[in-house]
Amino acid sequence: QVKLLQSGAALVKPGASVKMSCKASGYTFTDYWVSWVKQSHGKSLEWIGEIYPNSGATNFNEKFKGKATLTVDKSTSTAYMELSRLTSEDSAIYYCTRWSWELGYFDYWGQGVMVTVSS
Amino acid sequence: DIQMTQSPSSMSASLGDRVTITCQASQDIGNNLIWFQQKPGKSPRPMIYYATNLANGVPSRFSGSRSGSDYSLTISSLESEDMADYHCLQYKQYPPTFGAGTKLELK
Repeated sequence: QVKLLQSGAALVKPGASVKMSCKASGYTFTDYWVSWVKQSHGKSLEWIGEIYPNSGATNFNEKFKGKATLTVDKSTSTAYMELSRLTSEDSAIYYCTRWSWELGYFDYWGQGVMVTVSS
Repeated sequence: DIQMTQSPSSMSASLGDRVTITCQASQDIGNNLIWFQQKPGKSPRPMIYYATNLANGVPSRFSGSRSGSDYSLTISSLESEDMADYHCLQYKQYPPTFGAGTKLELK
């Protein structure tokens, strides 16, 4: 069965960076775009960007350019997102999700990573 | 960016009620809209895709519709397990954008 398993919660200091992972299983990792979504204040959702593991091609929300870096490791079927120059505004839950072109929606989601930025 | 104006931001309803949540798109998005359900501490779950299609495993009491730039999610007869947050998402144009969410509570 398809699973997206994300890394654990992170507590990071302002100005630092954090890198989180999303390990895919149960499907051909290179065939599906992986998106990252931010959830702030327990409610509102924002699309950060996406990566196509087969080629490494990416698309970003302009708001997150320079903030987020997306990479993949095809050998371990893992997608990564690194957030840099963290501020309190980056404290949120971050999800990875798979876009299914067969179905036409984000069909599988990781469990989320809570990032807390605090000194 | 396309703005998705979702209403109401919260609502309370009784078991068995018919409930409707709406998202208004600031530009034409065709039918490129998904509705998600999210329960506390859980990831979003797709409920409706392409505005009117039921996602896998979703009960038939859920439905989606469109009237012009207004997209609606309707629950025909509310059940206790439907208490959750609901989000719309347009994916017609980059970047995909979400509505602000609706919190559905039991009256």
